[in-house]
Amino acid sequence: RKEVEQDPGPFNVPEGATVAFNCTYSNSASQSFFWYRQDCRKEPKLLMSVYSSGNEDGRFTAQLNRASQYISLLIRDSKLSDSATYLCVVNRGSSNTGKLIFGQGTTLQVKP
Amino acid sequence: EAQVTQNPRYLITVTGKKLTVTCSQNMNHEYMSWYRQDPGLGLRQIYYSMNVEVTDKGDVPEGYKVSRKEKRNFPLILESPSPNQTSLYFCASSPSPRLAGNNEQFFGPGTRLTVL
Repeated sequence: RKEVEQDPGPFNVPEGATVAFNCTYSNSASQSFFWYRQDCRKEPKLLMSVYSSGNEDGRFTAQLNRASQYISLLIRDSKLSDSATYLCVVNRGSSNTGKLIFGQGTTLQVKP
Repeated sequence: EAQVTQNPRYLITVTGKKLTVTCSQNMNHEYMSWYRQDPGLGLRQIYYSMNVEVTDKGDVPEGYKVSRKEKRNFPLILESPSPNQTSLYFCASSPSPRLAGNNEQFFGPGTRLTVL
């Protein structure tokens, strides 16, 4: 089993749709969770950190479920510009280990 | 402009010919890291550095070396490249080694390496 697993997709959705991605992780000691966005083999960029209480940034909502060991990303009112690959990132162990594990990414295609 | 730079951006080389990919950041970040990205495997961490003169292996360190003699630079060295090191390489930096909260990693533009 991979340490961080994502459904690679692609998810094809129409503009305006709501779409959700899940990401499961295997290390129960993980403390830090992030969603990064990557456009077409360019460098990844931080979309949002994921906090225990869940957090929202505009149309994006991130949730953490420690009991089931998954994080989720919800995108509301999808825009064409949301088309990208979304990477789930989890640290291995305590927050100070410096080791980050990336999921292979979920590809989103938003169509007109 | 705050940024992470990598050089070269593209490189085609032959098996066994030593090469170095440079990485430099101008944000005074403590933490730096190297990743490789391969189709179906995602980004995998090669080496990371929590501060000057402190480096540690990531998940796929075999065939690579790094050094952190000064804060801004973190070169990746392939002493004897092989075809299985053909990949897209990213360098990243972060203000603090504590990877939590809003401690974002800033990535360089990537280096596409082909080893023939």
